[in-house]
Formats: sequence, C-alpha cells, structure tokens
Amino acid sequence: DVKVTQSSRYLVKRTGEKVFLECVQDMDHENMFWYRQDPGLGLRLIYFSYDVKMKEKGDIPEGYSVSREKKERFSLILESASTNQTSMYLCAFSPDLNTEAFFGQGTRLTVV
Amino acid sequence: AQTVTQSQPEMSVQEAETVTLSCTYDTSESDYYLFWYKQPPSRQMILVIRQEAYKQQNATENRFSVNFQKAAKSFSLKISDSQLGDAAMYFCAYRSPTSGTYKYIFGTGTRLKVLA
Repeated sequence: DVKVTQSSRYLVKRTGEKVFLECVQDMDHENMFWYRQDPGLGLRLIYFSYDVKMKEKGDIPEGYSVSREKKERFSLILESASTNQTSMYLCAFSPDLNTEAFFGQGTRLTVV
Repeated sequence: AQTVTQSQPEMSVQEAETVTLSCTYDTSESDYYLFWYKQPPSRQMILVIRQEAYKQQNATENRFSVNFQKAAKSFSLKISDSQLGDAAMYFCAYRSPTSGTYKYIFGTGTRLKVLA
C-alpha cells in the first residue's frame, strides 16, 4: 500500500508564528500537492511540485510557500500564521496522470 | 478554466437503499479523467471510482457505479445497498492530462448520512 504521512494531525499555533507542515511519501514519485479544505469550499490547491526543487503556485498561494529538497518530502510553510489560515491541510501525491491521487490524513491547523 | 459543481451539500439515505450524488463540470477539453473520492470521519481521502472520458462505458466498483454523460458534462455516483460505513463526505474531482499542471479540481463535496 502506498503511504503519505503528514507529520501532525492537529496543530495549534499563535498568530505571527512560522509554521511548517511536513509531508512524506514512501514512493519515488514526482507529483506532490498541498490542498486546503474548508467547509463549503471543497479542496483548493495551494502549491504543487513535479520534481525536487520545482514548484508551481496553485489557486490560493498567498501567505504560503513550499520546500522540496528531497523527492519524498514536500513541506508547506506559513511564513507568518494568521487566523484566516485556520483550516484542514491535505497533502497528496500522484504517480502519473492516469492514476488517482493518494492523500495523507490531513493536518487540522488552528491559529489563535 | 475548468470547474466542478456538487449541488447537494448533504444527502441522506436509509440503510440498504440506493442514493445518487450529483456532479457536473465545465471544460472545453475532450480528454480528461473524473474521480469520486470518499472522506470518512477519519479524514483519509480514498478513491471510490474513476472514469476516463474517452470510455463510453460507465465505471463500476462493487456497489458503486457512475452515470457519465459526457455531452451533458455530468458525472453522478450511485451507491447501491447503502451501508453505515458509506457515511462520509464525497468529493467529485476532475483532472486533465493536457493542462500541464497535473492538478485536480475538486467540487465542494456532499455529506452523505446513512440512516439505520
């Protein structure tokens, strides 16, 4: 079974803190994604990466950055957390266009 | 830009009955993939079923089947013999092989409740 591991299931951070959300896949796949999930809005793409050190902005990149130094690890960074970034964050990877995405269990982030 | 619409925020079904979840999408492309994902309370998104647009035959996976109407840009999910374990959020998703971005576009989700 393929596996995507997100480092935390729940996080509580203070406004202004720098926050790192880590995601690790156990396969050697290029395409990785960070989504944000909010009620009534579905999943919205923040950033994606198709190779090491390669990244592309998604639909809502403002306030976020990413890092991909190794193929298996894709990190989402909140440079200065704000309360409107309180949300569920989902990491995923996809082997190729013909297969589905595989998701982590999500990190529920609360910014107070 | 492509969009995916799920017009039913919440649905209920009696155990053992059949329910259909709706999904429509907008695209100008002819080749694409469509997916239904399930997100149970555990939050782990899992694939329920997928459909390639070039295939006219509707995909089926055990109790789950789709009604894919390409001209109408409709992709509904039918769950037969509903079970308590089917209770979850269901997301419809679109992916284009020609977009160059590999990204998925998701609908807003339908919460399915299964009544005992």
